[in-house]
Amino acid sequence: NAGVTQTPKFQVLKTGQSMTLQCAQDMNHNSMYWYRQDPGMGLRLIYYSASEGTTDKGEVPNGYNVSRLNKREFSLRLESAAPSQTSVYFCASSEIRSSYEQYFGPGTRLTVT
Amino acid sequence: AQSVSQHNHHVILSEAASLELGCNYSYGGTVNLFWYVQYPGQHLQLLLKYFSGDPLVKGIKGFEAEFIKSKFSFNLRKPSVQWSDTAEYFCAVNAGYGQNFVFGPGTRLSVLP
Repeated sequence: NAGVTQTPKFQVLKTGQSMTLQCAQDMNHNSMYWYRQDPGMGLRLIYYSASEGTTDKGEVPNGYNVSRLNKREFSLRLESAAPSQTSVYFCASSEIRSSYEQYFGPGTRLTVT
Repeated sequence: AQSVSQHNHHVILSEAASLELGCNYSYGGTVNLFWYVQYPGQHLQLLLKYFSGDPLVKGIKGFEAEFIKSKFSFNLRKPSVQWSDTAEYFCAVNAGYGQNFVFGPGTRLSVLP
């Protein structure tokens, strides 16, 4: 099992450009999450998907959109990147059977210039 | 809204010293509690978790944590740290039966050889 995978690992964007971060899990989990990690602020939830076909906003959703493509995949899109979106982005998945213990991907380091 | 605080931003210890990292949360109902570790350049990994039962939980690599409900605390401990424990440690709370995890800001641990 690969667990949670994310692509790309690194990305540099110019202000105003768009991109999609991809995430996939092979653990048959129902729930998936997108976080951003900034120094001194821990992880902040951007969006989550409780199950296929549903998505909900987290703490910091502005400037982002998500798509739960199927049970395995959950993508995060930046329509018009801003320097404030420079961060490390983590995808995670979980299942109610394990009381929502979360499994994390390796992260995407995004720089917006 | 629920929140999680961690007492120390950066802790520096010598090898073999004892460790205690503080974590407090603000939520009055049922909680699931977690400690995650992030080694340099890696993604978050679960150290231990509390769902119910014995308030003293043991995790991987000799770590343990104690849930004190009256103090809304879930402190992480290790009797003797090693250089390889150098990492960032995050406390997280999942309140009630929802899926909206809240992470603390993290504590960076540096262990000097």
